[in-house]
Amino acid sequence: DIQMTQSPSSLSASVGDRVTITCRASQSISSYLNWYQQKPGKAPKLLIYAASSLQSGVPSRFSGSGSGTDFTLTISSLQPEDFATYYCQQSYSNPSITFGQGTRLEIK
Amino acid sequence: EVQLVESGGGLVQPGGSLRLSCAASGFTFSTYDMHWVRQATGKGLEWVSAIGTAGDTYYPGSVKGRFTISRENAKNSLYLQMNSLRAEDTAVYYCARGAEMATILFDYWGQGTLVTVSS
Repeated sequence: DIQMTQSPSSLSASVGDRVTITCRASQSISSYLNWYQQKPGKAPKLLIYAASSLQSGVPSRFSGSGSGTDFTLTISSLQPEDFATYYCQQSYSNPSITFGQGTRLEIK
Repeated sequence: EVQLVESGGGLVQPGGSLRLSCAASGFTFSTYDMHWVRQATGKGLEWVSAIGTAGDTYYPGSVKGRFTISRENAKNSLYLQMNSLRAEDTAVYYCARGAEMATILFDYWGQGTLVTVSS
């Protein structure tokens, strides 16, 4: 199985900060990488697909980059509604899909 | 509007069985792959099963042989039959619509249904 490792596991930041979350795959996954946001008690929401494509309706302050084994999710200017947990997900080994362990973004 | 509504969760004893359902609306159900994803309390997301439009099914090793995913296109419904349940199967179970946009992704999710395996 392909293992996905996110860093950091948790992060404290302030409104207006620029934040970067990293996801590393245990082997090359090309660009088969998606990012989700999850708020407490809610289902995950798709933010970025194919490493760098913004899902329709998602604010442009969210961006993704990377290919191969190393990927990043960047929030250019944190808004209050962005405090949540973020997950990466690979589908290179489709149908065996795996997620990262999550990064919890908290208010400083 | 795409909607996915899960039901069937509850408390079950170890070794027991449970059948989850997911009612889909707002899209042509038969033309999409569908998935189940679970999340234990305070933990991350784990893909549990997938079913293709042709009825082909897929599972990770953790549930293979115990869980069965199925679909009934005429009823726009997805199911997950869970047998030989273990404490570690305790989680919120989400159904999710699969889509392929240069990668396999989950573009719509239900609200989840809680399964608790405990004596």
